[in-house]
Amino acid sequence: TQLLEQSPQFLSIQEGENLTVYCNSSSVFSSLQWYRQEPGEGPVLLVTVVTGGEVKKLKRLTFQFGDARKDSSLHITAAQPGDTGLYLCAGAPAGTYKYIFGTGTRLKVLA
Amino acid sequence: KAGVTQTPRYLIKTRGQQVTLSCSPISGHRSVSWYQQTPGQGLQFLFEYFSETQRNKGNFPGRFSGRQFSNSRSEMNVSTLELGDSALYLCASSLETPGNPQYFGPGTRLTVL
Repeated sequence: TQLLEQSPQFLSIQEGENLTVYCNSSSVFSSLQWYRQEPGEGPVLLVTVVTGGEVKKLKRLTFQFGDARKDSSLHITAAQPGDTGLYLCAGAPAGTYKYIFGTGTRLKVLA
Repeated sequence: KAGVTQTPRYLIKTRGQQVTLSCSPISGHRSVSWYQQTPGQGLQFLFEYFSETQRNKGNFPGRFSGRQFSNSRSEMNVSTLELGDSALYLCASSLETPGNPQYFGPGTRLTVL
């Protein structure tokens, strides 16, 4: 079974703190996406990482794709209450049409 | 470009009834996927359609079915509803190449009483 394991599952932090979310698999991915979902809404695409070792920055969010393209991380600097939500990594293992989602990380940032 | 639209947004049904949900993908996207999301199970893949053909299927009973039309619009149907079918049903569209990001609609919140 091809899985994307995310850690931690839950995270509750104070505003201004930094955090990192991890997404790991035993499969190689041609690319990985990160999404954020708010309650009652569909996930919203944040970023796509394609090249092994790639680092992408979106304001306070930094995304990294592992050298072997089997893992990724999301780092948030100086978290704000607006960052609260469910973070999901996702992708299609190389050579497959099956798009799979990670187990999710539920983040709550307290003011 | 208009985003993915889903109708209806909210639905209340009773056990034993059936329901049909609709999804219109982003223009030019030929792949449409459906997901069920519940608090306990997370995002569960139902099926994916590409060019009117079901290309992938998740582990759901045969009561869950879908189809895609020539204009890429898709519908999913759930027959003989059960209480456990209460969930947020999400539709996502993407370009045809595997691994392309998926763009989600707002979802249909189904409540089965």
